[in-house]
Amino acid sequence: EAQVTQNPRYLITVTGKKLTVTCSQNMNHEYMSWYRQDPGLGLRQIYYSMNVEVTDKGDVPEGYKVSRKEKRNFPLILESPSPNQTSLYFCASSPTVPGQGFSGNTIYFGEGSWLTVV
Amino acid sequence: GDSVTQMEGPVTLSEEAFLTINCTYTATGYPSLFWYVQYPGEGLQLLLKATKADDKGSNKGFEATYRKETTSFHLEKGSVQVSDSAVYFCALSENTGNQFYFGTGTSLTVIP
Repeated sequence: EAQVTQNPRYLITVTGKKLTVTCSQNMNHEYMSWYRQDPGLGLRQIYYSMNVEVTDKGDVPEGYKVSRKEKRNFPLILESPSPNQTSLYFCASSPTVPGQGFSGNTIYFGEGSWLTVV
Repeated sequence: GDSVTQMEGPVTLSEEAFLTINCTYTATGYPSLFWYVQYPGEGLQLLLKATKADDKGSNKGFEATYRKETTSFHLEKGSVQVSDSAVYFCALSENTGNQFYFGTGTSLTVIP
């Protein structure tokens, strides 16, 4: 089954304790992205990756890191989490056409990771 | 830059009522337009899409028409059901670009 899988789904952690949210897709998609969803603010992009070893900042990258060493995986790293990073996080992926971008392709989302930082 | 603006919610309707959720966009090129739906406790999933002007996307009784002259992609359904209660997101991607742009979402509650 084609899917985007993220873990953990739910996590409560303490300020300053490094954590990683994993994301894996089995659709061989080039593009992967992380979003956070907060009430009244909709979806805001954190980081995205157009392919292996290619990452770029989204709208709200502060306090986050990512890496793309393999095509299927795109982990989100919070080096020193703070309470303002309490949010619902989504990983997403999409196929792209070389030299043509998305070309109308759909973006696929994981089920979300609820993160609480106390 | 590109952006999507959708009507604010929350929207509450009675079952079998007509639904319209407005969405307008700003884009520099030739975008594809999407509606995504998020059911409680789940991730976003594609509801429908249109990739060029005058195209109509449809799915599960929902429809939206890509109107380039008014830069709009309004979502409509003739008769909503309780099971349609969800958050709806309008989105666009530039066909040659590397970003998806999402609206802020509209929460819909349908009451029996």
